[in-house]
Amino acid sequence: SYVLAQPPSVSVAPGKTARITCGGTNIGSTGVHWYQQKPGQAPVLVIYFDTVRPSGIPERFSGSNSGSTATLSISRVEAGDEADYYCQVFDRTSDHQLVIFGGGTTLTVL
Amino acid sequence: QVQLVQSGAEVKKPGSSVKVACKASGGTFRTHTINWVRQAPGQGLEWMGRIIPFFDTTNYAQNFQGRVIITADESTSTAYMELSSLRSDDTAVYYCAIENGANAFDTWGQGTMVTVSS
Repeated sequence: SYVLAQPPSVSVAPGKTARITCGGTNIGSTGVHWYQQKPGQAPVLVIYFDTVRPSGIPERFSGSNSGSTATLSISRVEAGDEADYYCQVFDRTSDHQLVIFGGGTTLTVL
Repeated sequence: QVQLVQSGAEVKKPGSSVKVACKASGGTFRTHTINWVRQAPGQGLEWMGRIIPFFDTTNYAQNFQGRVIITADESTSTAYMELSSLRSDDTAVYYCAIENGANAFDTWGQGTMVTVSS
């Protein structure tokens, strides 16, 4: 089945830009969604369909997707951005694994 | 804006079953696709399956085929996830989530902790 690869951890200093990648075969041909999850809380959708921010998500969050890598970028990182981030795709070619999540990336703000 | 409220924590014995409820308020329940996702302690997100109440259709992840049943009761705007033959590694937080038009999960329940222990 389709696999999404994320780095286990990313560290960034406050005020800098964090980039979290999500790799998959030809992932650029499908829409990628990103979730933020803080400890003890349910995930929150921060980017969908590669680049779209849901209402209430700061403009500091942006996404891109091309070739074999999708990227979530967080500019002007704040302490409150520290969380786990997951990418997700919808695999229309599969009968039994429609939804695939990446393994998650822990963002640490130094 | 639809909100999802899930049933409370459960403690189950190995081999038994658990049924978790997810009640929707606001919006039109039958037009939403409800997904179930679980998260074992310290682990990532794992998709289990989904139901489209309007069409009464379900899809299940291969890892759970034959062990999970997802249903919906439109009269109470409640979706259910029943997992059988529980094992210790089924200990996890179980979430329901609504899928938007881009197949992204834009509304989540608060999660239900299920502990499987003898």
